[in-house]
Amino acid sequence: EIVLTQSPGTLSMSPGERPTLFCRASQTVSNNFLAWYQQRPGQAPRLLIYGASTRATGIPDRFSGSGSGTDFTLTISRLEPEDFAVYYCLQYGSSPSTFGQGTKLDIK
Amino acid sequence: QLQLQESGPGLVKPSETLSLTCTASGGSIRSSNYYLNWIRQPPGKGLEWIGSVYYSGNTYYNPSLKGRVTISVDTSKNQLSLKLSSVTAADTAVYYCAKGGGIAVADSWGQGALVTVSS
Repeated sequence: EIVLTQSPGTLSMSPGERPTLFCRASQTVSNNFLAWYQQRPGQAPRLLIYGASTRATGIPDRFSGSGSGTDFTLTISRLEPEDFAVYYCLQYGSSPSTFGQGTKLDIK
Repeated sequence: QLQLQESGPGLVKPSETLSLTCTASGGSIRSSNYYLNWIRQPPGKGLEWIGSVYYSGNTYYNPSLKGRVTISVDTSKNQLSLKLSSVTAADTAVYYCAKGGGIAVADSWGQGALVTVSS
């Protein structure tokens, strides 16, 4: 199965800053079938990005995804207070679908 | 807007079968070209895909669960179900049902149901 490694494990930033989160796959992600989720405490995950770079319905354009092959990134252009959460990447190009271990984005 | 709600026992004994139901409201649980998924999250840990059923009826399971999983849909009740047999403490988790365009790719989620495996 494909192992996804997210970095950094924790990212401490301030509102208004521009964080970049990384997701590296142990093998090529087929068709760039890579998604990103946001999870706030006590809530279900929320789909942000699929197909590496397509924003899900209703997701603000400050969220952007990029990458291909084995290396993918999620960038938030300008942090809002509600963006402090845990972010997971998911590959769904090969079975079984697998998640990264998560990056916690917290307030500096 | 589609809403999903998981339900079932919050406590299951080791070696028994965990059974959960996901009921949809505000829309059909089964739609063309959509997957229905079960995903779980042990307390304080990350997400794990359990399995999915496509609108065609095809099912897909995570091999790590070694054949213990059965997922089915009852369209007459607008429900998705999960059965996980021979549970151990390692199966303690919040279980989510979710619907979307891919396996584990979901834009509609239930709130999650915590299931604890303990005697």
